Amino acid sequence: DAKTTQPPSMDCAEGRAANLPCNHSTISGNEYVYWYRQIHSQGPQYIIHGLKNNETNEMASLIITEDRKSSTLILPHATLRDTAVYYCIVRDTGANSKLTFGKGITLSVRP
Amino acid sequence: EPEVTQTPSHQVTQMGQEVILRCVPISNHLYFYWYRQILGQKVEFLVSFYNNEISEKSEIFDDQFSVERPDGSNFTLKIRSTKLEDSAMYFCASSVAQGHYGYTFGSGTRLTVV
Repeated sequence: DAKTTQPPSMDCAEGRAANLPCNHSTISGNEYVYWYRQIHSQGPQYIIHGLKNNETNEMASLIITEDRKSSTLILPHATLRDTAVYYCIVRDTGANSKLTFGKGITLSVRP
Repeated sequence: EPEVTQTPSHQVTQMGQEVILRCVPISNHLYFYWYRQILGQKVEFLVSFYNNEISEKSEIFDDQFSVERPDGSNFTLKIRSTKLEDSAMYFCASSVAQGHYGYTFGSGTRLTVV
């Protein structure tokens, strides 16, 4: 079972920041937080991951609380193309460890 | 940007028939995976593969399923005798190395068993 909890849906206005929350209160010390998204029925797309420090790449920023029990994915300027299901996944440091997807959060970006 | 390529994009087969789903992972990737997603449901892990052997498999991946890397580029999923409940999107993925890297997923094969 997924070890994360996400609200089922949210929306935001185009051009504004989208802040997607995720709770992972049972995360253990060697587990990373990953974010993927799935647009329509396409294959999931990797966004970002982190352990305890905040991370930023060209797609998004990941803010992890100090106790690591929750995190927020930030899309700084959402576009209509960012409408998708976003999955927050906790994954351990095993070399080949699988991704366990939950239901994710459906982000709808409105014009 | 390098892609994971899956063929065919859509396959229709009769119940009881064998199907082979094909994937070409990114060329320098060493770890390969199959996931599936039944319509309206979660993405589910099937199997991971490294160094020409299965590393991990789920309960779904029973004796009806097998994987193979027949040459240096292809990675295949075979379902020996398809059932109606095998109808799903099947996604192949690959990653460059062990440790913490994001996977790259293909665009999927929609398998319809009739």
